[in-house]
Amino acid sequence: GAVVSQHPSWVICKSGTSVKIECRSLDFQATTMFWYRQFPKQSLMLMATSNEGSKATYEQGVEKDKFLINHASLTLSTLTVTSAHPEDSSFYICSARDRTALGYEQYFGPGTRLTVT
Amino acid sequence: AQKVTQAQTEISVVEKEDVTLDCVYETRDTTYYLFWYKQPPSGELVFLIRRNSFDEQNEISGRYSWNFQKSTSSFNFTITASQVVDSAVYFCALSGANTGNQFYFGTGTSLTVIP
Repeated sequence: GAVVSQHPSWVICKSGTSVKIECRSLDFQATTMFWYRQFPKQSLMLMATSNEGSKATYEQGVEKDKFLINHASLTLSTLTVTSAHPEDSSFYICSARDRTALGYEQYFGPGTRLTVT
Repeated sequence: AQKVTQAQTEISVVEKEDVTLDCVYETRDTTYYLFWYKQPPSGELVFLIRRNSFDEQNEISGRYSWNFQKSTSSFNFTITASQVVDSAVYFCALSGANTGNQFYFGTGTSLTVIP
């Protein structure tokens, strides 16, 4: 079946530093990937839609200069949290849409837990 | 506008009881898809079911069953004879053909099954 991986699975960084999270589709090509953020005991909130070879589309209220998204290939999208602060601590989940399947075929990664100290 | 409402924030049941998780959705799309996901404490979303808007047949998978009713815009999920391993947060989600198939998640229902 379709598998999406994320790396790292968890990361602790100091305030002011940047951290990069990778999202990979392992056995399919994904023209579109989505990034979500989930705070404790809350739902998943879409941050941005990442399309291969083009700029990401950010949801309202998400700072594009703070959350840099790069979708350089059909199997990899990266989210870089720049100048991280404690309030950025969250669970980040990506999903990938299989380019050969119907639009509703999206597969979720296992998530990355970010803690900013 | 797309919206998913899960009115039950937390539910506790005793093992072997049946429990139904409610999901009500809003959409203007005529073609859309509904999903249920389970999120255990590890955080990884576990896909449970997908249903498209043209298929109102109820579905049963083992102890799980789903009731899709377009007339009431509901897609409820029932666990029969609950087990401790069913304890998790359950999310209902909606994806519409006219909104780029973006996922809209409900706020989730935290289910605790007490042994």
